[in-house]
Amino acid sequence: AQTVTQSQPEMSVQEAETVTLSCTYDTSESDYYLFWYKQPPSRQMILVIRQEAYKQQNATENRFSVNFQKAAKSFSLKISDSQLGDAAMYFCAYRSRSSGDKLTFGTGTRLAVRP
Amino acid sequence: DAGITQSPRHKVTETGTPVTLRCHQTENHRYMYWYRQDPGHGLRLIHYSYGVKDTDKGEVSDGYSVSRSKTEDFLLTLESATSSQTSVYFCAISDFGLSYEQYFGPGTRLTVT
Repeated sequence: AQTVTQSQPEMSVQEAETVTLSCTYDTSESDYYLFWYKQPPSRQMILVIRQEAYKQQNATENRFSVNFQKAAKSFSLKISDSQLGDAAMYFCAYRSRSSGDKLTFGTGTRLAVRP
Repeated sequence: DAGITQSPRHKVTETGTPVTLRCHQTENHRYMYWYRQDPGHGLRLIHYSYGVKDTDKGEVSDGYSVSRSKTEDFLLTLESATSSQTSVYFCAISDFGLSYEQYFGPGTRLTVT
């Protein structure tokens, strides 16, 4: 079974600085997607960014980018120019066809942003 | 925002009582999912559906059942609620395909006393 590990339960960053959240996963598949979801205090789950395993180029969405290291099975999220609104729980997730298109989530990293 | 709602949003119930949570979508997506969220565990899949009357178990399905009689509705039933089922429950929907994101409902906070 696929597993997703987020080894940082909590992180803190100064406003306007950059922070990187770590995620590793275990799979024998070659065709899969990786996702980062954000959950603010409102509890709503919001997709931040996604990465296809076949694409070598790292995905970017405005201030959010990933460092996808397929051989190392690592998928970290970098948030640049951190804002107070970035404070949230961040979940890394994995999805593959062999898993029936289901998402497997990590346990989450709580990010605090200091003003 | 994706058209997905959950009802009720909050519920307190007693141990041993049956509870049904409803997920309703207006997006006509094929896949629907029920997750529970607990501290230290992230989101864990309970059951999912890949079409009307087609459902399958997730990793934490014991004590839960589901039904999907219409594309737009996916019901989660706790046959006899236990305190270990106190959690926040999320419904999600998705179209078919790996790249499609799952859209999540607002969640239901269930407390079993």
